[in-house]
Amino acid sequence: KAGVTQTPRYLIKTRGQQVTLSCSPISGHRSVSWYQQTPGQGLQFLFEYFSETQRNKGNFPGRFSGRQFSNSRSEMNVSTLELGDSALYLCASSLQGAGEQFFGPGTRLTVL
Amino acid sequence: AQSVSQHNHHVILSEAASLELGCNYSYGGTVNLFWYVQYPGQHLQLLLKYFSGDPLVKGIKGFEAEFIKSKFSFNLRKPSVQWSDTAEYFCAVIGSGGSNYKLTFGKGTLLTVNP
Repeated sequence: KAGVTQTPRYLIKTRGQQVTLSCSPISGHRSVSWYQQTPGQGLQFLFEYFSETQRNKGNFPGRFSGRQFSNSRSEMNVSTLELGDSALYLCASSLQGAGEQFFGPGTRLTVL
Repeated sequence: AQSVSQHNHHVILSEAASLELGCNYSYGGTVNLFWYVQYPGQHLQLLLKYFSGDPLVKGIKGFEAEFIKSKFSFNLRKPSVQWSDTAEYFCAVIGSGGSNYKLTFGKGTLLTVNP
């Protein structure tokens, strides 16, 4: 069974730009969650989607948004990038959301 | 608000030493608990999980954890560590009632095992 895939793996952007990250969950998984990982803050929850609906959202500004498609694939978007948005963005999928989550390799975003 | 506290930021052990990593959580309801591990350059992967039942759970690579409800703790243990256990370990909690869907992680504990 293929794992969670994330594209692209690396991104370099400049302040003020926007970025879109993509996540393909494990086949059959309908819940997709996104996390930001930084050395200072650790792993922080961004949002969770199930059947195209956002069910929970973390404490991030409105510049961070996401969506889920009917095939369960998900995207997250960050607009007006700031230097502090540099991080590893992880996507995880699960069957229902409250159980075990399977993580992708992440997208390393660098904002210059 | 739910939260997870991991007691140690960095633990350094010699091979064959015993390991115990502390984890306490705060949540107003029943929970599912996890320990994840991140080996250098690799994905986060699940070590073990607790949903219900026997509070002593066994995971991969000889790890185990004990859920103590009265102490809101879920400590990770291994009787004898190996150099290959060098990694960062994360404790995580999510509400099990089906209305939360937010997995909250602790800050992580970096384990260094010296050969």
